[in-house]
Amino acid sequence: EAQVTQNPRYLITVTGKKLTVTCSQNMNHEYMSWYRQDPGLGLRQIYYSMNVEVTDKGDVPEGYKVSRKEKRNFPLILESPSPNQTSLYFCASSLKTPGQNGYEQYFGPGTRLTVT
Amino acid sequence: AQTVTQSQPEMSVQEAETVTLSCTYDTSENNYYLFWYKQPPSRQMILVIRQEAYKQQNATENRFSVNFQKAAKSFSLKISDSQLGDTAMYFCAILGGYQKVTFGTGTKLQVIP
Repeated sequence: EAQVTQNPRYLITVTGKKLTVTCSQNMNHEYMSWYRQDPGLGLRQIYYSMNVEVTDKGDVPEGYKVSRKEKRNFPLILESPSPNQTSLYFCASSLKTPGQNGYEQYFGPGTRLTVT
Repeated sequence: AQTVTQSQPEMSVQEAETVTLSCTYDTSENNYYLFWYKQPPSRQMILVIRQEAYKQQNATENRFSVNFQKAAKSFSLKISDSQLGDTAMYFCAILGGYQKVTFGTGTKLQVIP
């Protein structure tokens, strides 16, 4: 089954304790992206990756890191989480070529993060 | 920079009626893609419909269709024969240059039996 998986689905942590949210896709997609969703603000792009070892900042990259060492994985790292990073996080992937399914993003189920 | 504006935070429609959700955007790109995503209470993001900017013909997917006005930078979503399962948040999004994606703030749609 084609899918994007994220782990963990729920996480409560304390300020300053480093954490990683994993994202994996099995569709051989080149493009992967992280978003955060906050009430009234919609989804905002944190980082995205066009392919292995190619990453770029989205609109809200401060306080986050990413890496893309393998095509299927795109982990999101919070080195020193703060309460303002409490949010719902989505990972997504897509082909990055035009065509019938081009650029259609497949989303993971989301990770609810609470930083106290 | 690109922006997406959804000016209707909440809307409601009677079952079987038609409703239109508004979306305007701004971009300096000539080539871009526009999307409508649905987010039901389960929080899963589901693609509803997609429009390529260089295609003049409006996209349709069953009961869902768009009115794409490129010059006006408008991309509204029309839902015909509304069903209870259409109750959800709807997000408009643009994928522009450098593969950046920008979403609107969403419209919460309630379908009333």
